[in-house]
Amino acid sequence: EVQLVDSGGSLVQPGRSLRLSCTNSGSTFGNYALTWVRQAPGKGLEWVAFVRSKYYGETTEYAASVKGRFTISRDDSKGIAYLQMNSLKTEDTALYYCARLYYYYFDYWGQGTLVTVSS
Amino acid sequence: QSALTQPRSVSGSPGQSVTISCTGTSSDVGGYDYVSWYQHHPGKTPKLIIYDVSERPSGVPDRFSGSKSGNTASLTISGLQAEDEADYYCCSCTGISTYVFGTGTEVTVL
Repeated sequence: EVQLVDSGGSLVQPGRSLRLSCTNSGSTFGNYALTWVRQAPGKGLEWVAFVRSKYYGETTEYAASVKGRFTISRDDSKGIAYLQMNSLKTEDTALYYCARLYYYYFDYWGQGTLVTVSS
Repeated sequence: QSALTQPRSVSGSPGQSVTISCTGTSSDVGGYDYVSWYQHHPGKTPKLIIYDVSERPSGVPDRFSGSKSGNTASLTISGLQAEDEADYYCCSCTGISTYVFGTGTEVTVL
């Protein structure tokens, strides 16, 4: 069973950094890709980034809106995936979900962690 | 990468059928059979209801079905029930190894 728990969200000023964590409290997720999806207040879902499994070199992909500012990574020994967010903007304010990317779809989701970027 | 286009809202009476369209381009929806659909009740976690255009995960009622023609995918909910009232999002992989969601559709059960 895969059980993902998101954490790390908080209120942060524009331009600052924040790191989100996605912890797997169930079985290992080392064989699968992991992704982050966000939902800004009153808006729809937006895909943010994903990291492939170690088998595929832990390579990463990003949405254009966060490329160069956000970094996704994973530590399979701890069962944790991270989203390092730098140079935060007010438009990054959203509920951030991690999810397992199984083949080409997201089958298990965390409960979400809220990031608010405001001065 | 622009969001896939969905109608803002659809509605139907209990027992009726509703269909939600999801229009993209040949670089996403039209180029790959990897469209998925998610049901999202406000305040809850999104739930996968269709993957690979028309496949249903175990536990998802067969009232939910998916299809695709050209650059447009569709989700049909047959025999609409009160608990189907939620937001629905399509999603597709793209030719540059990224993903794009649809704009979202609010389903209302009258």
